[in-house]
Amino acid sequence: AQTVTQSQPEMSVQEAETVTLSCTYDTSESNYYLFWYKQPPSRQMILVIRQEAYKQQNATENRFSVNFQKAAKSFSLKISDSQLGDTAMYFCALRRGAQKLVFGQGTRLTINP
Amino acid sequence: NAGVTQTPKFRILKIGQSMTLQCAQDMNHNYMYWYRQDPGMGLKLIYYSVGAGITDKGEVPNGYNVSRSTTEDFPLRLELAAPSQTSVYFCATETGAEAFFGQGTRLTVV
Repeated sequence: AQTVTQSQPEMSVQEAETVTLSCTYDTSESNYYLFWYKQPPSRQMILVIRQEAYKQQNATENRFSVNFQKAAKSFSLKISDSQLGDTAMYFCALRRGAQKLVFGQGTRLTINP
Repeated sequence: NAGVTQTPKFRILKIGQSMTLQCAQDMNHNYMYWYRQDPGMGLKLIYYSVGAGITDKGEVPNGYNVSRSTTEDFPLRLELAAPSQTSVYFCATETGAEAFFGQGTRLTVV
């Protein structure tokens, strides 16, 4: 069974629009971290945003914010005022307590001019 | 700041050859990982280590071996290269708050 699931293989929006990427995960731990990573064509992995499970407040980093629904085990990423430079693969990731970091399958996001 | 350094960046192997992908970090992180990324796909965990002398299998360990004799180094060994091992390989370290990735090694087995 997939621990981290991203159900949208590809998404495409127009520049300046808002887009939301979905992620669901599975864990019985109470202590865990969730992440969104961006991988542009350069292949570099870039941390976009991080959420600690014990924090009720949704994390925000400039145009990027998350909707963390702990009971539903959902962790979506919202990108506001999307820019051409946001075009990339986006990966959701889970780190459960002292266990390993696992990634979802990724969502390929294209921002069109 | 070097961070996570992978070598080589590119390599072409013939079927049956062996090679070692090198990964070194200068951040004194305990957790280290090897992932492979096939074209257009996500990252699959090959092996990981929670500290020097400790390694464990991930999702796709077959055909690979690792060692962790020091905190700094975490080499990945391919013993008998197969076309199915054609992929991009990423080494990463992690603090729990963030993962740091190397630039990747593009490996082609022909």
